[in-house]
Amino acid sequence: GQNIDQPTEMTATEGAIVQINCTYQTSGFNGLFWYQQHAGEAPTFLSYNVLDGLEEKGRFSSFLSRSKGYSYLLLKELQMKDSASYLCAALDSNYQLIWGAGTKLIIKP
Amino acid sequence: SQTIHQWPATLVQPVGSPLSLECTVEGTSNPNLYWYRQAAGRGLQLLFYSVGIGQISSEVPQNLSASRPQDRQFILSSKKLLLSDSGFYLCAWSTRPSGANVLTFGAGSRLTVL
Repeated sequence: GQNIDQPTEMTATEGAIVQINCTYQTSGFNGLFWYQQHAGEAPTFLSYNVLDGLEEKGRFSSFLSRSKGYSYLLLKELQMKDSASYLCAALDSNYQLIWGAGTKLIIKP
Repeated sequence: SQTIHQWPATLVQPVGSPLSLECTVEGTSNPNLYWYRQAAGRGLQLLFYSVGIGQISSEVPQNLSASRPQDRQFILSSKKLLLSDSGFYLCAWSTRPSGANVLTFGAGSRLTVL
């Protein structure tokens, strides 16, 4: 079956760095997305990786290893507004999105 | 710019009552449209998607249905709600052709069935 695993919850301190991991098993692979979702709101797009390596976008970076079925989202210089759930989703061979349950990130002052 | 509207934002309905959630997209033509449901602690579940007027694909068998009467309008319906239909419903759109397209979500509709 197809599966996405990511930690349920993480806690980090304002100003610090946090890495949210995601592992996937899919039938074929056409890329991996990260979305941010604040409580009670809709998800918003953060990043898309289809090739191995690190993609940096301001304070947020996303990494992909296709051979390991692994991705992470790296958040630097954490701010209180980064408190949210982070959703990992993999695109399978039929271009269907397989979603993880999300990682709730709690930022403490 | 493109915008997506979804309503109502919150809905409390008794078991057995009908449901209608509406979604419209502005600023784009021929979008792919999606209905997702998000249950607490679970990943987004794709319910329906549409690539054009009157073209609906159902991903999960259930008592829900979807319709696309106009290019930029997508409606989620039920004739008789079940308790298990409670959840956070999200409409989304993406550009054609299908593939590695970014989904843009509406603000969501929180449905509570009592």
